[in-house]
Amino acid sequence: RKEVEQDPGPFNVPEGATVAFNCTYSNSASQSFFWYRQDCRKEPKLLMSVYSSGNEDGRFTAQLNRASQYISLLIRDSKLSDSATYLCVVAPYNTDKLIFGTGTRLQVFP
Amino acid sequence: EAGVAQSPRYKIIEKRQSVAFWCNPISGHATLYWYQQILGQGPKLLIQFQNNGVVDDSQLPKDRFSAERLKGVDSTLKIQPAKLEDSAVYLCASSFSGGHPETQYFGPGTRLLVL
Repeated sequence: RKEVEQDPGPFNVPEGATVAFNCTYSNSASQSFFWYRQDCRKEPKLLMSVYSSGNEDGRFTAQLNRASQYISLLIRDSKLSDSATYLCVVAPYNTDKLIFGTGTRLQVFP
Repeated sequence: EAGVAQSPRYKIIEKRQSVAFWCNPISGHATLYWYQQILGQGPKLLIQFQNNGVVDDSQLPKDRFSAERLKGVDSTLKIQPAKLEDSAVYLCASSFSGGHPETQYFGPGTRLLVL
């Protein structure tokens, strides 16, 4: 079983739509959780950290369910510029090693 | 502030040849990471340095891959000899210090194609 699992997509949605991505992780001792964004042929960039209480940054909302070992990312009012691959990332306890999922590709169309 | 620099940006070699990649981290960053990203997959950590010491190289294929960071700043990653399955993007990242995974900054990567 992969340490971090994501649906690779692609998710094709119209502008203005709401889209949600899910991710599961296998190591219950994982400590830190993130969503990274990776544009085509570019490096990954941190989108947001994910906290147990849930957190929101503009149109983006991330949630963590430790009991189910499940992380989600919700994007509201999708923009064309949101088209990218979204990587679910987990850091094990007491390390700064990042374990990446395969990524979920989002394509927003006009 | 300058970001993480990597060179070359692209490299095409034949299998069994050798290749080296260079990384210059953000100034003052003590921790440096090399990741391998195969097409359609997420990055996978190959090796982590803290200054010039190795913290984690558990996923580095040591029979063909080597890395060094002799003066605790720049780093090189070498593959010798290369195999077809080494075709990937090699990403370098750095952070100010260990223990803060959210502070890793990635370079643009070196895209390797092995023929």
